[in-house]
Amino acid sequence: GENVEQHPSTLSVQEGDSAVIKCTYSDSASNYFPWYKQELGKRPQLIIDIRSNVGEKKDQRIAVTLNKTAKHFSLHITETQPEDSAVYFCAATRSGSARQLTFGSGTQLTVLP
Amino acid sequence: GAVVSQHPSRVICKSGTSVKIECRSLDFQATTMFWYRQFPKQSLMLMATSNEGSKATYEQGVEKDKFLINHASLTLSTLTVTSAHPEDSSFYICSARGQGAATNEKLFFGSGTQLSVL
Repeated sequence: GENVEQHPSTLSVQEGDSAVIKCTYSDSASNYFPWYKQELGKRPQLIIDIRSNVGEKKDQRIAVTLNKTAKHFSLHITETQPEDSAVYFCAATRSGSARQLTFGSGTQLTVLP
Repeated sequence: GAVVSQHPSRVICKSGTSVKIECRSLDFQATTMFWYRQFPKQSLMLMATSNEGSKATYEQGVEKDKFLINHASLTLSTLTVTSAHPEDSSFYICSARGQGAATNEKLFFGSGTQLSVL
């Protein structure tokens, strides 16, 4: 089955700096890669996703890059703000199948004011 | 986006009692729902996949007699923690897969249930 590894487990940045979270996956057939943001005690919220037919996707201050050959994908947050502080999870799956998402272990991002 | 409603948000119960958690898809039909368990500062651990009209599929190590799942309609799945014990204390969260070509691989999460067993 799919295995997703996520690094780092914790990340502290100064407000205004950029943050990068990296994930690797094992199943070369995986083709859908979402990122979720979870605040303490709240539900995970989908913040951005990417499919394997593109290498990069951007939405305002958030971007995701995908390297299919190396089987890794990354989340980039620019101009970080204190409200970006949360746990971020990457995930992978085969689109179109009933298979559930396989989640990474999570990254606790802290943006210091 | 699709909305998934989960109740209750917080439960405190005595050891030995059973607790039922409901998960509803409000504006779409969810043939498949997923139940996760999350310990503090840890990732989402899939417990089981709930399929409407059929038996749930449990992940390895999850006791199906302990965690009863019922998916009787296209909009409702329930998880019952039977004879709860302190070690069952955790954050339980459901999710449903969206409908339609644009969202059918997206997961929409319920708000979660914090279970505390005394």
